[in-house]
Amino acid sequence: NAGVTQTPKFQVLKTGQSMTLQCAQDMNHEYMSWYRQDPGMGLRLIHYSVGAGITDQGEVPNGYNVSRSTTEDFPLRLLSAAPSQTSVYFCASSYSTGGSEQYFGPGTRLTVT
Amino acid sequence: DAKTTQPNSMESNEEEPVHLPCNHSTISGTDYIHWYRQLPSQGPEYVIHGLTSNVNNRMASLAIAEDRKSSTLILHRATLRDAAVYYCILRDLLWAGTYKYIFGTGTRLKVLA
Repeated sequence: NAGVTQTPKFQVLKTGQSMTLQCAQDMNHEYMSWYRQDPGMGLRLIHYSVGAGITDQGEVPNGYNVSRSTTEDFPLRLLSAAPSQTSVYFCASSYSTGGSEQYFGPGTRLTVT
Repeated sequence: DAKTTQPNSMESNEEEPVHLPCNHSTISGTDYIHWYRQLPSQGPEYVIHGLTSNVNNRMASLAIAEDRKSSTLILHRATLRDAAVYYCILRDLLWAGTYKYIFGTGTRLKVLA
C-alpha cells in the first residue's frame, strides 16, 4: 500500500492563480479530509468528506473547493490564490470517523507571492 | 467544539519516561481521546486512542482519568526520535456516526541526550 499520497510536494503561485492539490489513498477509506498548518500552529480543518459524493466544510473553508467523485481521490482546489493561503497542506484518510486511526500524507508546501 | 488544553512545551532526558498531560473538561460521554505526533517536516502520525480504560500499544500508553476530564500520554523510555509535537485531540460529533477532528497547538517535546 502506498497509503496517502499528495502531489505536488512544493508549489509557488502568484496571487490570483488557481491550482489543484491532489490527494489519493489506496486503503479504501471512506473518510478523507484536508488540513492546513501555518508556521508554529496546529492543524486546521479545511474540508472533509465522509464518502464519495459527500463533502462538507471544516473550520477554514473560504477560498477552497473540494469534490469527491471516487473513494480514492479528494482534490483541493484553490480558486484564486492569496498570500494568506501560504501554508503546508495535509490530506488525511481513515476507515471511519469513529474511533479509528487517521493516516496523513506527507504534505504540500504552498507559497503564494 | 470540544477543546483540549496542553502545555506548550516539555523536556525529557533520553531513556527516561515522559508524561504528557491533556485537559479536556468539556468532553462528552462518547468522545474518544486521540493522540497524534508530528515529527519535523512530516505529517502527523497516529499514536494511540482510548475511550474510558487505559490503553497500551507498542508506541505508548494512554492513562485516562476516571472522570475523563484529563488524560496522560506516557512514553516509557524517551528516545531522540520521540522529539516531536504531540497533539491531544477530541472528535466533534457532526451528525449520527460522523465526526471531525479538531487539532490544537500541541506540546513540543524536546528530548535531551
